[in-house]
Amino acid sequence: EAEVAQSPRYKITEKSQAVAFWCDPISGHATLYWYRQILGQGPELLVQFQDESVVDDSQLPKDRFSAERLKGVDSTLKIQPAELGDSAMYLCASSLRSGVTMNTEAFFGQGTRLTVV
Amino acid sequence: AQSVSQHNHHVILSEAASLELGCNYSYGGTVNLFWYVQYPGQHLQLLLKYFSGDPLVKGIKGFEAEFIKSKFSFNLRKPSVQWSDTAEYFCAVVMDSNYQLIWGAGTKLIIKP
Repeated sequence: EAEVAQSPRYKITEKSQAVAFWCDPISGHATLYWYRQILGQGPELLVQFQDESVVDDSQLPKDRFSAERLKGVDSTLKIQPAELGDSAMYLCASSLRSGVTMNTEAFFGQGTRLTVV
Repeated sequence: AQSVSQHNHHVILSEAASLELGCNYSYGGTVNLFWYVQYPGQHLQLLLKYFSGDPLVKGIKGFEAEFIKSKFSFNLRKPSVQWSDTAEYFCAVVMDSNYQLIWGAGTKLIIKP
């Protein structure tokens, strides 16, 4: 069964350091999401890509976070510099949604648990 | 603003009890509705979804949900829960205004053996 791949699974970094997460969506999925999930809360959308274009990054703290999906396939989310409050689970999801239909679900990866010390 | 509300943050039940978790959304247009489950230490998995048609949707593991458009609700039900249903349950909605997936805060379900 096709899956969304994320790496690393766990990351511990010191504050003020740079950290990057990688996501490979299910083949053929046009839409890719990066979410942050703090313990006890629902996922919070950071950025949504449609192919290689950003369609929503309104909740992305752009002073320290960046995301790219250069070829419209895999994606990288970067934090520089990391702060203590960035400790959370970072989730990647993908869906077939192409902009002409909304009738598809999102499939999630295992996530990257980030701890900033 | 468009939002999704889950009424209970924590629910504790005994095995064999019936379950109903509430989900309401605030949007008057066309929606897709989802329930996702997150078992301890695992990733989010789709439990069931509603796109159109029969408003009573059956999902995996004996779960079902009913879309009541007039009440803007999509409550999750299971007639008899098991210890293995212990997990966190999230309601999510896609609205045709921007195709964004809006999430509820989640409900932690604990089933006592």
